[in-house]
Amino acid sequence: EAGVVQSPRYKIIEKKQPVAFWCNPISGHNTLYWYLQNLGQGPELLIRYENEEAVDDSQLPKDRFSAERLKGVDSTLKIQPAELGDSAVYLCASSLGVGAFAVDEQFFGPGTRLTVL
Amino acid sequence: GQSLEQPSEVTAVEGAIVQINCTYQTSGFYGLSWYQQHDGGAPTFLSYNGLDGLEETGRFSSFLSRSDSYGYLLLQELQMKDSASYFCAVRDSNYQLIWGAGTKLIIKP
Repeated sequence: EAGVVQSPRYKIIEKKQPVAFWCNPISGHNTLYWYLQNLGQGPELLIRYENEEAVDDSQLPKDRFSAERLKGVDSTLKIQPAELGDSAVYLCASSLGVGAFAVDEQFFGPGTRLTVL
Repeated sequence: GQSLEQPSEVTAVEGAIVQINCTYQTSGFYGLSWYQQHDGGAPTFLSYNGLDGLEETGRFSSFLSRSDSYGYLLLQELQMKDSASYFCAVRDSNYQLIWGAGTKLIIKP
């Protein structure tokens, strides 16, 4: 069974440029998460999807970040424009079930390491 | 606010036993999970405790006391490959995982 796929693995851009990340979750996983992780810290949730619905985006900086999960499968996360402080690893994860029936085991992709110069 | 507290770093010797503690303060509680993350890698799931008590999976065990808002991860027969960061995470009333800052486990030969 294929794991969570993310691309690109690395991205270097100049500030004020746009950037997009793509995630393909494990087949059949209803819930998809986008996290941001800074060095030496735990993952911070940006947005959580249950199927195609964004059920928790309270931590997403909506002035510059946007996300979509069309047809409840693949998802993209976009930053426009990028700022120096956006340099981090962006992780996508998926899990079975939704809401109270969500399984706690989350499967993570390898992440995209973003460097903003 | 919601918070999880765990030590930032723990050092142990190969072959020994180490315990990583986690205390939490969250709005609602649906379970405590532990994840392992090697440098440059992605977090991988280790264990889950929904009820009080000890869960054992090979060399790793995890414990939960809901009355004390406390849990720990116990690693036995430490191997060099266990050198990694370990995160505790709690599912809150919004079914969202709240993550600790992680404990870096350093293993010496």
